Amino acid sequence: EAGVTQFPSHSVIEKGQTVTLRCDPISGHDNLYWYRRVMGKEIKFLLHFVKESKQDESGMPNNRFLAERTGGTYSTLKVQPAELEDSGVYFCASSPLRGEAFFGQGTRLTVV
Amino acid sequence: AQKITQTQPGMFVQEKEAVTLDCTYDTSDPSYGLFWYKQPSSGEMIFLIYQGSYDQQNATEGRYSLNFQKARKSANLVISASQLGDSAMYFCAMREGRQGGSEKLVFGKGTKLTVNP
Repeated sequence: EAGVTQFPSHSVIEKGQTVTLRCDPISGHDNLYWYRRVMGKEIKFLLHFVKESKQDESGMPNNRFLAERTGGTYSTLKVQPAELEDSGVYFCASSPLRGEAFFGQGTRLTVV
Repeated sequence: AQKITQTQPGMFVQEKEAVTLDCTYDTSDPSYGLFWYKQPSSGEMIFLIYQGSYDQQNATEGRYSLNFQKARKSANLVISASQLGDSAMYFCAMREGRQGGSEKLVFGKGTKLTVNP
């Protein structure tokens, strides 16, 4: 069974550009989460989907971040326009309705 | 207030020895879950072990065990018989809310474990 996959694994963009991160959860997992780890700090929650609905987006830093989950399957996280402080590793995780979360390998975003 | 505290930025252990990674937590919710994840240099987050707040016994998974001391609000990870492949970042995390449900995780800053040959 395929795990949680994230694309791309690395992305380097200039300040002001747009970047879209993608997450494919484990098939059948209704819960999908986005987390972010900025260098040297804790991994922070961004938002939580249950199927296609946003259950909790309290961790989204500002309106430059937009997350979607098309048809309750894969999810995208768009940063527009990107700022230097957005650099970090973005993790996606999925879980069934009851059970532990499985994480993807992360996308390392560098804004220069 | 920080909810998960990992006081050891880095730890070193000799191969085949046991090591304890510390984690303390803060919550007023009587129902919560505690997790440990491993992040090797390749970047992925690997689930290791889970302890529910109502579990009577300490969780064990192979060489991993969780030393759960509820009154002290600590959930230390014990790795027995360390292997070179155990070298990685280790994160303690907590999920508040109803047990069995999938809620967001709150993470500590992590501990970098290095296993020496």
